[in-house]
Amino acid sequence: DTEVTQTPKHLVMGMTNKKSLKCEQHMGHRAMYWYKQKAKKPPELMFVYSYEKLSINESVPSRFSPECPNSSLLNLHLHALQPEDSALYLCASSRLTEGGLTDTQYFGPGTRLTVL
Amino acid sequence: DQQVKQNSPSLSVQEGRISILNCDYTNSMFDYFLWYKKYPAEGPTFLISISSIKDKNEDGRFTVFLNKSAKHLSLHIVPSQPGDSAVYFCAASAGGGADGLTFGKGTHLIIQP
Repeated sequence: DTEVTQTPKHLVMGMTNKKSLKCEQHMGHRAMYWYKQKAKKPPELMFVYSYEKLSINESVPSRFSPECPNSSLLNLHLHALQPEDSALYLCASSRLTEGGLTDTQYFGPGTRLTVL
Repeated sequence: DQQVKQNSPSLSVQEGRISILNCDYTNSMFDYFLWYKKYPAEGPTFLISISSIKDKNEDGRFTVFLNKSAKHLSLHIVPSQPGDSAVYFCAASAGGGADGLTFGKGTHLIIQP
């Protein structure tokens, strides 16, 4: 089983709203990722969590706030977003070896976010 | 600075023939390479990967070739089927992958009946 689930599938929010995106995997993976994909562009890395600790933040604005409450869940809290933040938000997970190396990343279906 | 390049935005191939998708990279630290298939508004689906210690990996109809000296990899699909029509992304990681993946811009493969 290589399933990563994401909810909601679609989200429309205003610039003053607060919302959260959720991601879940039950593969025992200890590395989890958030990517952002704009139309006709490749996915771009936002955050990496290793062993539930934030290891990489690719200079993402503070209106995006990630959270990893346990080894199976990854959230992305959204607040005061801008229309240009509208995109497909993808979650991924991968194994971590004892040496901290990762394996293949498996992606969820994504959340299509529209900011009005 | 684009570290992973897919220079063909689209490729049209007849059903049953071979599809060859190309990818070039510039970062010598990349040591793990992957190909993903993607449909619109869906997440990328993993197809096949290759470590920098190998030069070929095969899985069914899919074969990936890596030429480290040329910093080039390619994905061969034989025979091509209508269901293969999708956008294919080449991705790379360095240092064990804990830094996340760097993607190319993708190649839209169209299989003609």
